[in-house]
Amino acid sequence: EPEVTQTPSHQVTQMGQEVILRCVPISNHLYFYWYRQILGQKVEFLVSFYNNEISEKSEIFDDQFSVERPDGSNFTLKIRSTKLEDSAMYFCASSEEGRDANYGYTFGSGTRLTVV
Amino acid sequence: AQKITQTQPGMFVQEKEAVTLDCTYDTSDQSYGLFWYKQPSSGEMIFLIYQGSYDEQNATEGRYSLNFQKARKSANLVISASQLGDSAMYFCAMRDYSGAGSYQLTFGKGTKLSVIP
Repeated sequence: EPEVTQTPSHQVTQMGQEVILRCVPISNHLYFYWYRQILGQKVEFLVSFYNNEISEKSEIFDDQFSVERPDGSNFTLKIRSTKLEDSAMYFCASSEEGRDANYGYTFGSGTRLTVV
Repeated sequence: AQKITQTQPGMFVQEKEAVTLDCTYDTSDQSYGLFWYKQPSSGEMIFLIYQGSYDEQNATEGRYSLNFQKARKSANLVISASQLGDSAMYFCAMRDYSGAGSYQLTFGKGTKLSVIP
């Protein structure tokens, strides 16, 4: 069964450093997403991406964050100048279609980011 | 604005028994989808079941069924014949189809299910 692959599974970084979280969505999917889950809390939407541009973003997704699809397979989330409160599990997801899709996304296994 | 409410922070169920996890939602849209995800302690998000707002029958997937009551805006997950491996966090989520470009999922806070041997 196709899956969304995220690397690394766990990353520890020092406050103020930049991190790049990587994702390989399912190959025939067109929509890509990042979500965040702070430990013990609910999953929160960050950003959706379609046709090489951001289609929607939340209030959380400020100038500290950026996304990119540098080639035909990878989808990355960059966090500049990380803060302690950025510590969370970051999920990548992809879906075949956007608003007309009848099913949910396929989520990756997540990257647990720890900022120290 | 969409909202998902899961009122049970934690639930216990005896192995082989059935359990219902509650979810209510709030939306003014006519077209939407409701989802349940399972998150084991390892952290991944596993899709369980989907219900569209226009689906007349309740969705079922193996031991999972969704008790959809549209007028009450509830979408409870029923797990039959609980297994030890069902112990996990369960999230209800909603996706709005009628807004322009709104593809995001809105999640509830989750219910932690513990299956007792």
